[in-house]
Amino acid sequence: AQSVTQLGSHVSVSEGALVLLRCNYSSSVPPYLFWYVQYPNQGLQLLLKYTSAATLVKGINGFEAEFKKSETSFHLTKPSAHMSDAAEYFCAVSVLGGNQFYFGTGTSLTVIP
Amino acid sequence: DAGVTQSPTHLIKTRGQQVTLRCSPKSGHDTVSWYQQALGQGPQFIFQYYEEEERQRGNFPDRFSGHQFPNYSSELNVNALLLGDSALYLCASSLDGFWDTTSYNEQFFGPGTRLTVL
Repeated sequence: AQSVTQLGSHVSVSEGALVLLRCNYSSSVPPYLFWYVQYPNQGLQLLLKYTSAATLVKGINGFEAEFKKSETSFHLTKPSAHMSDAAEYFCAVSVLGGNQFYFGTGTSLTVIP
Repeated sequence: DAGVTQSPTHLIKTRGQQVTLRCSPKSGHDTVSWYQQALGQGPQFIFQYYEEEERQRGNFPDRFSGHQFPNYSSELNVNALLLGDSALYLCASSLDGFWDTTSYNEQFFGPGTRLTVL
């Protein structure tokens, strides 16, 4: 079975500061991992994905994430926060041949000017 | 490419009623998944349709049913609505294909239908 835990339901950072959103996963088989962003009243937009290639994954809008098998983590980072980064972020896990995604409960990012 | 589209955008129903939500997948996609996202929660998998059949189902009661049409579009039906069914319902489409060690099933999400049950 697969599951995802996102530590911190709310994160606040100052504009220009480092963004770090935490995600830990549980999977009995090699996982595929995803980060999605959701703006108010909108659907989910894929930020980046890990599919067993490079462990450091670069996504859109300057975000990146590193897959660490030993820590079962897939934390999302961005060196410098922008006001437009304020949104809800979801980590999700799937597996090769899997038909469903398992989502975390989300982290709400606030960017303080 | 219009991406994944869903209709209606918003819907208000009363307890006990029935509702139908619709989804058109991204062009070229043949698989549709439905998710329920309650307020303040992450999306939860309801079921997935492929080749007009339900292929996998999450932990949702039989009041939730669906259908996929030959053009790959899909409907989600919910009977005997409860207050707890109020949520954002998301549709995601993907392409089911030949699986190899590097293949994955990326899902593209629609904007969702906001269902309010009074």
